[in-house]
Amino acid sequence: QKEVEQNSGPLSVPEGAIASLNCTYSDRGSQSFFWYRQYSGKSPELIMSIYSNGDKEDGRFTAQLNKASQYVSLLIRDSQPSDSATYLCAVQTSGSRLTFGEGTQLTVNP
Amino acid sequence: DVKVTQSSRYLVKRTGEKVFLECVQDMDHENMFWYRQDPGLGLRLIYFSYDVKMKEKGDIPEGYSVSREKKERFSLILESASTNQTSMYLCASSTPVISNTGELFFGEGSRLTVL
Repeated sequence: QKEVEQNSGPLSVPEGAIASLNCTYSDRGSQSFFWYRQYSGKSPELIMSIYSNGDKEDGRFTAQLNKASQYVSLLIRDSQPSDSATYLCAVQTSGSRLTFGEGTQLTVNP
Repeated sequence: DVKVTQSSRYLVKRTGEKVFLECVQDMDHENMFWYRQDPGLGLRLIYFSYDVKMKEKGDIPEGYSVSREKKERFSLILESASTNQTSMYLCASSTPVISNTGELFFGEGSRLTVL
């Protein structure tokens, strides 16, 4: 079993819709969870972090964490074409070490 | 503006060659990392370092070594390049774990092709 798994995608949504990106992890002791965005040909950049069960909102982005189910998700409301990118789920497995999922490619169609 | 600089954006090497990938950060970060990124496999950790002259194996260290002689510089070495090491290599740095926000600062990447 992979340490961090994401829904494989690609995911395509119309402009203005809600995009839902999902991630599961295997290490029940993990405490910190992150979403990175990577535009084509660019490096990943951090967009959200979440440490406690529940929801965390930042503008159009909402991260959701359920430690009992070992599940973390990212919702993007009012999706825009500029949100088209690959989204990487990352879990802090030990110390400063992050383990990444394989990424989900999102396309927002105008 | 924070910066992680990788020495080469594109490299083409032959099987068996020794390859050096250099990474320099200007943020005085203690932690530095080398990942490779392949389609369908995401980012996989090769090696990381918490301090000068210190290194730890990541998930896929075979065929690689690293060097950290100075805090700002972290080098990835392919002792004898093979075709299965054709990939995008990403260097990153971060603050220590105590104040870690999970933010890795990535370089632009080095795309290596081994023929």
